[in-house]
Amino acid sequence: DQQVKQNSPSLSVQEGRISILNCDYTNSMFDYFLWYKKYPAEGPTFLISISSIKDKNEDGRFTVFLNKSAKHLSLHIVPSQPGDSAVYFCAASDSGTYKYIFGTGTRLKVLA
Amino acid sequence: DAGITQSPRYKITETGRQVTLMCHQTWSHSYMFWYRQDLGHGLRLIYYSAAADITDKGEVPDGYVVSRSKTENFPLTLESATRSQTSVYFCASKWGSTAGANVLTFGAGSRLTVL
Repeated sequence: DQQVKQNSPSLSVQEGRISILNCDYTNSMFDYFLWYKKYPAEGPTFLISISSIKDKNEDGRFTVFLNKSAKHLSLHIVPSQPGDSAVYFCAASDSGTYKYIFGTGTRLKVLA
Repeated sequence: DAGITQSPRYKITETGRQVTLMCHQTWSHSYMFWYRQDLGHGLRLIYYSAAADITDKGEVPDGYVVSRSKTENFPLTLESATRSQTSVYFCASKWGSTAGANVLTFGAGSRLTVL
């Protein structure tokens, strides 16, 4: 049973436009969420996080939104740049267990 | 070198052989994790550890064994490798359990091929 889902395997966006990556989860005990970016042949790198006590967190071009009632989070990248082309994973954590469950990833391609 | 290192980076083995993937971190992080990445499945948790001598199963633990005798090392062993264990394996760590310590830092990965 997939507890964290990223239903879009891929996304293409023009340079300068907004990229929106979505993530859904089923476990209501999850209270901390993270986004990671992964380039080929490298390990995932941390991008941005959000706690369940917030509904928005911003860091430069990256904003994560959390809708707890819908069990949905999204990552907005504005403006998108070619260097943002990578696979993006969302992850969720239940602070009672401290383990992280990842989604299947979305491959973002930013077109120049 | 500071950070989290995995070895070997690439490994080819045969079905039935034992393989050990090593993970070493220099930060003295309490928590360590093993994930595997497969197309269509994303990153799936194999095993994790809260401290030396404390380990627990993740989502896909079958066929794997871990140990953690020292805080800095978390080896993953495939006791009898199968083709379905062909994958890219990532080790990760974090220093604590509070919200501020909730960021996982990953190694560069170990690509394992089982023939």
